[in-house]
Amino acid sequence: QKEVEQNSGPLSVPEGAIASLNCTYSDRGSQSFFWYRQYSGKSPELIMFIYSNGDKEDGRFTAQLNKASQYVSLLIRDSQPSDSATYLCAVNRPSNDYKLSFGAGTTVTVRA
Amino acid sequence: DGGITQSPKYLFRKEGQNVTLSCEQNLNHDAMYWYRQDPGQGLRLIYYSQIVNDFQKGDIAEGYSVSREKKESFPLTVTSAQKNPTAFYLCASSMTGTGNTIYFGEGSWLTVV
Repeated sequence: QKEVEQNSGPLSVPEGAIASLNCTYSDRGSQSFFWYRQYSGKSPELIMFIYSNGDKEDGRFTAQLNKASQYVSLLIRDSQPSDSATYLCAVNRPSNDYKLSFGAGTTVTVRA
Repeated sequence: DGGITQSPKYLFRKEGQNVTLSCEQNLNHDAMYWYRQDPGQGLRLIYYSQIVNDFQKGDIAEGYSVSREKKESFPLTVTSAQKNPTAFYLCASSMTGTGNTIYFGEGSWLTVV
């Protein structure tokens, strides 16, 4: 079982719609969760982090964490063509505070 | 501007050669990391350093070496022992451990010719 799993996509959504991305993780002791956006050929950039169960909103982005079910999700509201990218989910490893486990990413395409 | 600078952006390596990727940060972060990204795969940790003069192997350290002589600098050497070095290499840093957010440099593309 992979430590962090994401649907690879591609996830295609029309402009203005909501894009919903999911991520599951295997280590129940994980406490820190991150979403990165990566444009093709570029490095990842942080979108959001979440530590507590529930929702966290930042502009058009909402991260949702459910530790009991071991999943974290990212919602992108009012999707724009500029949101077309690969979104990486990252989760800390409780055994080592300096190690993150990354999912392979979900590719999102926003259709104009 | 504060940030992480990687160089070179593109590098070609011949079989049997060692190459060194540079990483410099001016964020005053204690921790630095090297990740490798292959198409369709998540980032994999090569080496990390918690503090100057200390570094630890990550998940895929074989064929790589690092040094941390200065807080700002964490160069990665890809040795000839790394059999499949073609990849996108990312340097990152954080205040302390990954409970703190890590930030990435722009990356270096290494191709074996």
